[in-house]
Amino acid sequence: DQQVKQNSPSLSVQEGRISILNCDYTNSMFDYFLWYKKYPAEGPTFLISISSIKDKNEDGRFTVFLNKSAKHLSLHIVPSQPGDSAVYFCAAGKYSGAGSYQLTFGKGTKLSVIP
Amino acid sequence: GAGVSQSPSNKVTEKGKDVELRCDPISGHTALYWYRQSLGQGLEFLIYFQGNSAPDKSGLPSDRFSAERTGGSVSTLTIQRTQQEDSAVYLCASSLARVSYNEQFFGPGTRLTVL
Repeated sequence: DQQVKQNSPSLSVQEGRISILNCDYTNSMFDYFLWYKKYPAEGPTFLISISSIKDKNEDGRFTVFLNKSAKHLSLHIVPSQPGDSAVYFCAAGKYSGAGSYQLTFGKGTKLSVIP
Repeated sequence: GAGVSQSPSNKVTEKGKDVELRCDPISGHTALYWYRQSLGQGLEFLIYFQGNSAPDKSGLPSDRFSAERTGGSVSTLTIQRTQQEDSAVYLCASSLARVSYNEQFFGPGTRLTVL
C-alpha cells in the first residue's frame, strides 16, 4: 500500500508560468515533508521541506503548502524555468523507533518546462 | 569531493552471482541510508545506520540482502545470489541525524542490471 502518492507522472508547463506538483499521503504519523529534485543519472537533491506544524514554507521561487486535514501537500514553482525540468519526489518522514527516522517517497512527477 | 560517492556507477551481473555496492558518505554525517529505485517506482527504503547503534534493517526485501558500515563511515550493500528483480538503481544517502528535518544527501547511485 503506497503511503505517499504522486498521481501525476508528468507535467508540462510553459516557461514563466506556475508549476504545481501535488502529493497525497495516508499515514497521519508523518510529521515532516520534503521535496527532492532529480536530474537524470544523478541522485535526488533536497529542495524544500515543511514541518507538520506549519502550512506553508517559502524559499525563493519554491513554496510548499501543507493541508493536514486533507493529507495533501503541493509544491509551487513560480516562475518556472527550463532548468527546473526534472523529476520531483515528494517524501514524508516519521520517527520509526530505535533511533531511526525514515522517509517514504512517492514515485515522482516529471516536470518539463517548455521555453 | 564533498558529496556522497558511490561505486561502481554501473554493474551488470549474471543471475545467481553476488554483488557488492559501495557508499562513501559525507564526512561527519552519522546517518547513512540505502534505497533502491526500480523502474517506474519511487525510492524504496532498505536499511539505515546511525552511529554505533544497531542498524534498522526493516526495509531489506530478503535475507539475500545485507549491509555493513565499517568505522562509522564507508558502507557496503551486498546482494547474494542476485535475481532479475534485483535490477534497480541503488542509492545511498547520508545526513546529520541531529538536524530536525533530517535532510538526506544522496549519491549518484549504482545502476544494477541482473541478466
